[in-house]
Amino acid sequence: GAVVSQHPSRVICKSGTSVKIECRSLDFQATTMFWYRQFPKQSLMLMATSNEGSKATYEQGVEKDKFLINHASLTLSTLTVTSAHPEDSSFYICSARSGGYSYEQYFGPGTRLTVT
Amino acid sequence: AQRVTQPEKLLSVFKGAPVELKCNYSYSGSPELFWYVQYSRQRLQLLLRHISRESIKGFTADLNKGETSFHLKKPFAQEEDSAMYYCAPADNYGQNFVFGPGTRLSVLP
Repeated sequence: GAVVSQHPSRVICKSGTSVKIECRSLDFQATTMFWYRQFPKQSLMLMATSNEGSKATYEQGVEKDKFLINHASLTLSTLTVTSAHPEDSSFYICSARSGGYSYEQYFGPGTRLTVT
Repeated sequence: AQRVTQPEKLLSVFKGAPVELKCNYSYSGSPELFWYVQYSRQRLQLLLRHISRESIKGFTADLNKGETSFHLKKPFAQEEDSAMYYCAPADNYGQNFVFGPGTRLSVLP
């Protein structure tokens, strides 16, 4: 089956620094990747949708300058949290879709970000 | 605004009992409806989608456009069904997913 990986699985960084999270589709080409954020005991909140080779589409209320998304290839998307603050601490999950008429999203295991 | 409600945060049933996880949605246009499941310590995965009209692991879901509901049902719950279930409508292109708050199903022995 389709597998999506995320790296790192957890990261701790200091306030003011930037951290990059990678999302890879291991055995299929992902024309579209999605980035979600999940707060403790809450549901997933879609942050942005990225299509390979084009700029990401951000959901309302998500700062595009703070959460930089790059989808440079059909198997890799990155989310960079710039100038991180403690309130950015969260669980970040990516998913990938192969395109065509397949609506199925394959989810990564998530990345736990803690900003101290 | 796009919105999904799953009224039960936690639903506990005994093994062999029927189970229904409720989902109501407010979504512009004619959305596609999905149910996702997350088992303990595992990633989120697709359980079923309305357009496929499948029964997966004994689960079915009926779309009621009049009531804008997409309730998930299983006639005989099993212990391995214990998990977190999310209802999620999306647009016609399979994008713009809106996840509900989730219902934790606990099937007791």
